Parts: sequence; C-alpha cells; structure tokens
Amino acid sequence: EIVLTQSPGTLSLSPGERATLSCRASQSISSPYLAWYQQKRGQAPRLLIYGASSRAAGIPDRFSGSASGTDFTLIISRLEPEDFAVYYCQQYGTTPGGYTFGQGTKLEIK
Amino acid sequence: EVQLVQSGAEVKKVGESLTISCKGSGYRFTHYWVGWVRQMSGKGLEWMGTIYPDDSDTRYRPSFQGQVTISADKSTSTAYLHWSTLKASDTAIYYCARREAIGYFDSWGQGTLVIVSS
Repeated sequence: EIVLTQSPGTLSLSPGERATLSCRASQSISSPYLAWYQQKRGQAPRLLIYGASSRAAGIPDRFSGSASGTDFTLIISRLEPEDFAVYYCQQYGTTPGGYTFGQGTKLEIK
Repeated sequence: EVQLVQSGAEVKKVGESLTISCKGSGYRFTHYWVGWVRQMSGKGLEWMGTIYPDDSDTRYRPSFQGQVTISADKSTSTAYLHWSTLKASDTAIYYCARREAIGYFDSWGQGTLVIVSS
C-alpha cells in the first residue's frame, strides 16, 4: 500500500500570506493520480485538485498543485479567511480500489 | 446538480446491526463507482470500499473486508453500508462519495454520524 506523508502537520499563517502544503508518496504514483481535498470543520471534504495540478470545477485560481517525482505540493497563493481548514492529499488509480489518504495538514490562522 | 444524500445520525449499542444509506441524484447512478470513507473523531480520512451499482462489483480495503458489507440498489439509486455486529470502535462519521471515471472522489455526501455505546 502506498503511504502518503503530509507536512507540516499544522501550518499557522495570516490571511493574505502564501501557503505551501506538501505530500510525499512512499513509492511512485502512476500518471500522477493525486488529488487534494479541503475539509472545513463539520463539513464533508471538497475536491480541490485532481491529476496533481488540475483544479476542480468552481475552485478559485489561488489554489494550485504541482508534482515532482513522489513529491506533491498544494499552494494557496493568497490566503482568504475561508481557506483555513484541513487539507488532505489522496492517491487513486484507474482501478476502483487501493485509495489512500495522507494524514492531513491543518491550516490555521496565526 | 450531482447530490449524494446520506441517512441521519444513528446511536446504537455494541453488538447491534446497522445499515446506513447514500442516495444519489443528478447523474446516472449506475455509471459511477460509489465509495465509503470513515473519519473517526479528530482523525483523518480512511477509504473503506467502493461499489459499482450497475453490477454490484465491490472492492474493500483489506482492513475492512469482513467487517462491513457494501451494497447498492440501482432501482432507487442508493448505496448502503452495513454492519452485522457493531463495535464501540465503529463510532465515526461515514461519508459516501462518487468516484469520477479516472478515480478521484468528486462529490461527497454530507456524512452520517454513527455512535456505538456499550
């Protein structure tokens, strides 16, 4: 099973700042099938990014994703108050099984 | 609009059985896999299993195999998650989610809180 390790565990920033969240896979992910989700307190997760760098429908362009080998990055260019939440990365594939999530990064207001 | 609407919160006792549901609308239910994801209190997301409603092909995470049963009724566009014998450790929020063709989960239900007490 592929293990995804997210860092940092908690990120404290102020509105307007840039956030950089990392996700490292324990082995190569095909194609790259890596997604990012945002989960606000008391809400279901919401898809932000798929295919490592493609924004989901309705997601603002301040959210961007990138990949380099087994390292994946989510960048929020200028934090808005509504962006403070927990973020999860997830690997998936063409077969409908074997999904794993990272343990999450909590983005909190400094 | 794609929607997944889950059944309400449940409070059960250890040893009881339980089935929660997830009703899809706004899309062809039989054409997309539906996954179930567990979130224990204050913890992260764990994929449990996925079902293809058209033929009920089901895949389980090994740690959940034999612990839960996932099923679907395509006539009512509803997926189900069933426990035959609940444990206190089953206390969690359970989400259903639609799996897009490539594999990510693009739409999520609102979650069902399950509390199992001894």
